[in-house]
Amino acid sequence: GESVGLHLPTLSVQEGDNSIINCAYSNSASDYFIWYKQESGKGPQFIIDIRSNMDKRQGQRVTVLLNKTVKHLSLQIAATQPGDSAVYFCAENIILYSGGGADGLTFGKGTHLIIQP
Amino acid sequence: NAGVTQTPKFQVLKTGQSMTLQCAQDMNHNSMYWYRQDPGMGLRLIYYSASEGTTDKGEVPNGYNVSRLNKREFSLRLESAAPSQTSVYFCASSAGGKQFFGPGTRLTVL
Repeated sequence: GESVGLHLPTLSVQEGDNSIINCAYSNSASDYFIWYKQESGKGPQFIIDIRSNMDKRQGQRVTVLLNKTVKHLSLQIAATQPGDSAVYFCAENIILYSGGGADGLTFGKGTHLIIQP
Repeated sequence: NAGVTQTPKFQVLKTGQSMTLQCAQDMNHNSMYWYRQDPGMGLRLIYYSASEGTTDKGEVPNGYNVSRLNKREFSLRLESAAPSQTSVYFCASSAGGKQFFGPGTRLTVL
């Protein structure tokens, strides 16, 4: 099964409200997490990341919270705007072993955030 | 900086045809990746290249080959396309674990 998953496939919020998107991960050794935003017809766009030595990180209108005890990650979007409508993916860092090694990401299935006027 | 670019944007193939998806990045990243994304799914890793001159299989490599032409370019080849390869393909490059994605190639195999 997937090591990274999301609790809800769709989240509908009113414009101006705060949104919270949740994600669970299973690998307790994971040390780096990223949230991506994917608009229709486009590639995933980096939003914010967090390392396992932190439990909170803030960006512009976004906050990521990491709870290592229960292996849970959340993305909070403040004052949701129409432009926030997208699918949001959490991703967990994995180490890919090859001749030189590379960092990889395991993605959850995504949560579709719908903004209602 | 253009970031990660991919060509073509759209492609329709018949079963058994071959084609190469092109990817280039101008961020001087060592690592590059190819993913596929199917409806309602997250991204699944096909192949990756940790650095120029190396390539390795990811989660779903069957039916694909890759070439790391130089540090900038990483191509994905379908030798004999199958309907199961209908998908959206994303290329990415990374630095420090953070991956940057191209706009994708939407491929349909009839």
